[in-house]
Amino acid sequence: GNSVTQMEGPVTLSEEAFLTINCTYTATGYPSLFWYVQYPGEGLQLLLKATKADDKGSNKGFEATYRKETTSFHLEKGSVQVSDSAVYFCALPTLNRDDKIIFGKGTRLHILP
Amino acid sequence: DTAVSQTPKYLVTQMGNDKSIKCEQNLGHDTMYWYKQDSKKFLKIMFSYNNKELIINETVPNRFSPKSPDKAHLNLHINSLELGDSAVYFCASSLTRGNTEAFFGQGTRLTVV
Repeated sequence: GNSVTQMEGPVTLSEEAFLTINCTYTATGYPSLFWYVQYPGEGLQLLLKATKADDKGSNKGFEATYRKETTSFHLEKGSVQVSDSAVYFCALPTLNRDDKIIFGKGTRLHILP
Repeated sequence: DTAVSQTPKYLVTQMGNDKSIKCEQNLGHDTMYWYKQDSKKFLKIMFSYNNKELIINETVPNRFSPKSPDKAHLNLHINSLELGDSAVYFCASSLTRGNTEAFFGQGTRLTVV
């Protein structure tokens, strides 16, 4: 079945550093891919998505490209800010009878001023 | 307007009690979910409903019973609460089943003492 693996955290960076959070997936069919963000004490928010191979999702300076050849959807940001400190989840739908969205284990990001 | 709202936000209760968490979405979505998030931020789906019909019932103790009076509401009732039920419970909705993102509520932090 479909699954997603993302890098373990926590990740600690200084403000203005470059960020990469790795995500790889296994899938049958052609699922959309998602990144969600969870700020402290809040629910999950959709950060960006890509619906087909080679699509690039982007939002708030974050980007991720749907790479079918490497089965990856890595999250990147060129210059992080303290306000980006949160937990980030890579996710995809199962596209089977259950039709649920499955999430990676989450990567906690700390940005130091 | 809050898209997916759940109440209460915090719930502290004693072992053995019965409690309910309510969820409502005003997005006109057909599909609603309950997820459980543990202390390590791992998200696990519990139930999903599509147009009031139960679609997913993961391996969850039968002390947990969802109820969907209409497609805009999905409530979660928990009987005989146990210490291990302490977690954050998230309600979510999506436009339909399949290849589409979910929108999450703010979560209910349940603490069983």
